[in-house]
Amino acid sequence: SQTIHQWPATLVQPVGSPLSLECTVEGTSNPNLYWYRQAAGRGLQLLFYSVGIGQISSEVPQNLSASRPQDRQFILSSKKLLLSDSGFYLCAWSSEWAQYFGPGTRLLVL
Amino acid sequence: AQSVTQLDSQVPVFEEAPVELRCNYSSSVSVYLFWYVQYPNQGLQLLLKYLSGSTLVESINGFEAEFNKSQTSFHLRKPSVHISDTAEYFCAVGANTGGFKTIFGAGTRLFVKA
Repeated sequence: SQTIHQWPATLVQPVGSPLSLECTVEGTSNPNLYWYRQAAGRGLQLLFYSVGIGQISSEVPQNLSASRPQDRQFILSSKKLLLSDSGFYLCAWSSEWAQYFGPGTRLLVL
Repeated sequence: AQSVTQLDSQVPVFEEAPVELRCNYSSSVSVYLFWYVQYPNQGLQLLLKYLSGSTLVESINGFEAEFNKSQTSFHLRKPSVHISDTAEYFCAVGANTGGFKTIFGAGTRLFVKA
């Protein structure tokens, strides 16, 4: 069966520091992968999606970037965090039109 | 472009009462419809989906949703809720528009009271 992992689970970072969140999927090959952000009390905002290694599509302008160095690895990064980057970050993969989410990373920027 | 509207941000209900969480969508192409559930501090879990065929779809824990094309709705219902159903519920619409993307509603918080 397929599983999706995210780490770290929680992260507290100062403003201006770098960020790296990792997502890996097991049990499937060449998945479509997605990064979402969920602000407190709000819905999901699609940040990036990828249909293959090195193929990244950005949905919103921001100071975040994404990379897909391996088939089942998806990384979300920032060079300098902003206060507004705080939120719950969710990675997902898709199969038969449905999306399957990881446990999420809660990021607090202070 | 597709959009999803969840008409209620919060729905309080007593245990064992019926509940309906409303969802309307708009799209210029054929869509796939989903309901996801999110428990506190967890990721979203797929609850049920409509891809094609029967317009009434069911989940393993007693929820059901009906695709109504004429009303562009996909409301979620359960005849008798439990305390454990307390969670946030997200309606979502997906469409293949040169790259499959899913648009999520803002969510409805279901609060089941004893």
